[in-house]
Amino acid sequence: GAGVSQSPRYKVAKRGQDVALRCDPISGHVSLFWYQQALGQGPEFLTYFQNEAQLDKSGLPSDRFFAERPEGSVSTLKIQRTQQEDSAVYLCASSLDGGNEKLFFGSGTQLSVL
Amino acid sequence: AQKITQTQPGMFVQEKEAVTLDCTYDTSDQSYGLFWYKQPSSGEMIFLIYQGSYDEQNATEGRYSLNFQKARKSANLVISASQLGDSAMYFCAMREIQGAQKLVFGQGTRLTINP
Repeated sequence: GAGVSQSPRYKVAKRGQDVALRCDPISGHVSLFWYQQALGQGPEFLTYFQNEAQLDKSGLPSDRFFAERPEGSVSTLKIQRTQQEDSAVYLCASSLDGGNEKLFFGSGTQLSVL
Repeated sequence: AQKITQTQPGMFVQEKEAVTLDCTYDTSDQSYGLFWYKQPSSGEMIFLIYQGSYDEQNATEGRYSLNFQKARKSANLVISASQLGDSAMYFCAMREIQGAQKLVFGQGTRLTINP
């Protein structure tokens, strides 16, 4: 597609439910990132893929968070047993490569955990 | 560890005026990139401008310019002739050229352009 696509746009979950957030990066982009943005804050890094390899997951806040990119294109961020503190906007970004390549962001998934 | 500081939570500017958004950074890396992104209410992060740490000239992209002062570790964004559509959150970010690829963001500045 023309840009980074994320779905769903909004997700409401009851505490304890599992959720799955999808990211479809720009075709051909090697690098893919997930960020978490709390209300009124800057995005915080969660994890990074180069093709299908997850090279950095240092930002994942707990073992309830899991991300995958099995074929090096679409990625899924899964949150198990959601908690209220997981409420945030989850942004996906992709770039052609690393270094000084700019990141292209999707519009994000707004997750609300009740 | 890299850190970005944006000290202006909010800025109010009259339409057509120029505005400077402050950004200071901290890093021990010699090679890095500095970015500015705009985030309107729709939520998407829009790339504005990039400055490499070894670039001798300040970056410019249309009405956007980056005032890069390496010794002071500052990378201020200057928007000339502001427009109503410039009202948004603005984020400064840094990325290592080698090693870890993640962008580290500041807290952001909310810019409001008044007619």
